[in-house]
Amino acid sequence: NAGVTQTPKFQVLKTGQSMTLQCAQDMNHEYMSWYRQDPGMGLRLIHYSVGAGITDQGEVPNGYNVSRSTTEDFPLRLLSAAPSQTSVYFCASGRPHRDRARNTEAFFGQGTRLTVV
Amino acid sequence: DQQVKQNSPSLSVQEGRISILNCDYTNSMFDYFLWYKKYPAEGPTFLISISSIKDKNEDGRFTVFLNKSAKHLSLHIVPSQPGDSAVYFCAATRNTDKLIFGTGTRLQVFP
Repeated sequence: NAGVTQTPKFQVLKTGQSMTLQCAQDMNHEYMSWYRQDPGMGLRLIHYSVGAGITDQGEVPNGYNVSRSTTEDFPLRLLSAAPSQTSVYFCASGRPHRDRARNTEAFFGQGTRLTVV
Repeated sequence: DQQVKQNSPSLSVQEGRISILNCDYTNSMFDYFLWYKKYPAEGPTFLISISSIKDKNEDGRFTVFLNKSAKHLSLHIVPSQPGDSAVYFCAATRNTDKLIFGTGTRLQVFP
């Protein structure tokens, strides 16, 4: 059971370059999300999706685009990278539910460490 | 505006003693709270949760307490073990919508 898979694990970009961070899950979760982790800032929500074809903005969406064409995949796109986007990015699948039998606490990928120079 | 706050960036505890990690929130509409644990170079993993209709939830060595009037929750780890050394994030949600995380507390358990 792979869970949530993020690629790449590390990436260095030059300012202005574009790239896509990949995220795939095999748990058939409808809900997926992207977070960035910065020192002293915790995990901040970038974008999320409640199902294929549906996306919405989180706390810090500027500079990022997402799409959700399938249940399994939720890529995060940086159209023109900036040094302020240097961070560790986490993709998560599932969302918390009071009925734990539904097992929808968020499961996180291993993260992508992105440096923009 | 930080809706979920962890005011202690770090905590150091001796093995076998109790670790208490604290979390405050500002949004009274939050109705479900969670704690996640994160090791270096790994994604966060779910630890324990509590609904706003309860004031305590226990799972083995981990207990979460919720004080709604103070908008405060805490995670107690008893006894603390070296393997508990990690960064702990509290998170809150409303109607099981998106998770809002705190800034994290780094726990170090020393022998």
